[in-house]
Parts: sequence; C-alpha cells; structure tokens
Amino acid sequence: DVKVTQSSRYLVKRTGEKVFLECVQDMDHENMFWYRQDPGLGLRLIYFSYDVKMKEKGDIPEGYSVSREKKERFSLILESASTNQTSMYLCASTSGAGLGTQYFGPGTRLTVL
Amino acid sequence: GNSVTQMEGPVTLSEEAFLTINCTYTATGYPSLFWYVQYPGEGLQLLLKATKADDKGSNKGFEATYRKETTSFHLEKGSVQVSDSAVYFCALGGSGGSNYKLTFGKGTLLTVNP
Repeated sequence: DVKVTQSSRYLVKRTGEKVFLECVQDMDHENMFWYRQDPGLGLRLIYFSYDVKMKEKGDIPEGYSVSREKKERFSLILESASTNQTSMYLCASTSGAGLGTQYFGPGTRLTVL
Repeated sequence: GNSVTQMEGPVTLSEEAFLTINCTYTATGYPSLFWYVQYPGEGLQLLLKATKADDKGSNKGFEATYRKETTSFHLEKGSVQVSDSAVYFCALGGSGGSNYKLTFGKGTLLTVNP
C-alpha cells in the first residue's frame, strides 16, 4: 500500500513563528502536493513539486514556501505564521503516469494563536 | 480554467436510503474524473474514477458515470450505511501534460442515521 505520512497530526504555534510541515511518501512518486482544507472552501492547492528541487505555485501560495531536497520528502514552510493560516493541511503524492490518482496523508491540523 | 461544482451539503439520510451527490465540471480537453472520500479524522482516499466519456467508475457499492454531453459525474449508491458517513469530494484531473493536478469541488458532508 502507498503510504503518505505527515510529521504531526496536531500543531499549535504562535503568530510570527516559522512553521515546518513535513510530508514523506514511500512509493517513489514524482509529484507531491500541499493543500489546505477549510470549511466551505474545500481543498485549495498551495504548492506542488514535480521533481526534486522543482516546484510550482498553486492557487494560494502567498505566505508559504516549500522545499523538496529528496524525492520522498516535501516540506511546507510558513515563514511567519498568522492566524489566517489556521487550517487543516493535507499532503498528497502521485506518479507521473497515475492519471491523477493522488494519495493523501492523514493531515495536520494547525492552529496559530 | 477547470472548475468543479458539487451539491452543497450537508446531506442527511436514513440507513438503506438511496444516495445521489451531483457533480458537474468545466474543463478543456478530456479530463479524468474522480470521487474522493474523507472519513472523520482522516485524509482523503480515492473512491472511484473514470478516465473517458461513458466510463463508469464503481467501488464499495458507489457508482458514477462520466457524462461528457452533460459534463457531469454524479455519485450514486443504492443503499447507504452508517459507515458511509463522510465528506465526499468530486475532482477533475487536468488533461495533457498537467494530468497529475486535480481541481476539487468544495465537498459534500453525508450523514447516515441508523
């Protein structure tokens, strides 16, 4: 089974802190994604990566950055956390030939106080 | 650009009732279509998919048919169970080189009562 893991299920941070969310997949997938999920808004794509060290902005990249130094790991960075970044963050991965089937991690619920 | 519109919830049904969750899309080319399900406290998982017009995806008693003429991919189940309570997302895969990216609907919360 494909496994996508995220470093934390719940995280509480203070405004202005730098926050790192880690995601690891074990299926040698080329493509990895970070979404945020908010009630009434569904899933919105923050960033994605189609190869090591390659990244592209999604629909809502402002206030976020990403890092992909190894194929299996994709990190989301909140440079200076703000209260409007309180959300559920979901990581996903897919192979290049997967016709879009994405495999999701369990999510990290981040609260910024 | 691509977009997905799905029925807003919440939807509340009794066990063994018939379920339909509507999904329509706007896209160029020939995208793949997906239904994902999110059980409480978990990430999303693929429920079913269809990759071309008139294909029917099915899994766990759920079905959806890719209708290009109506740009729809409605999710149906003949008899729901309490364990089907979850949030359901319709999603659209890009066509061509960006096929790995997905556009999601806003999700529909389904609650099934005993």
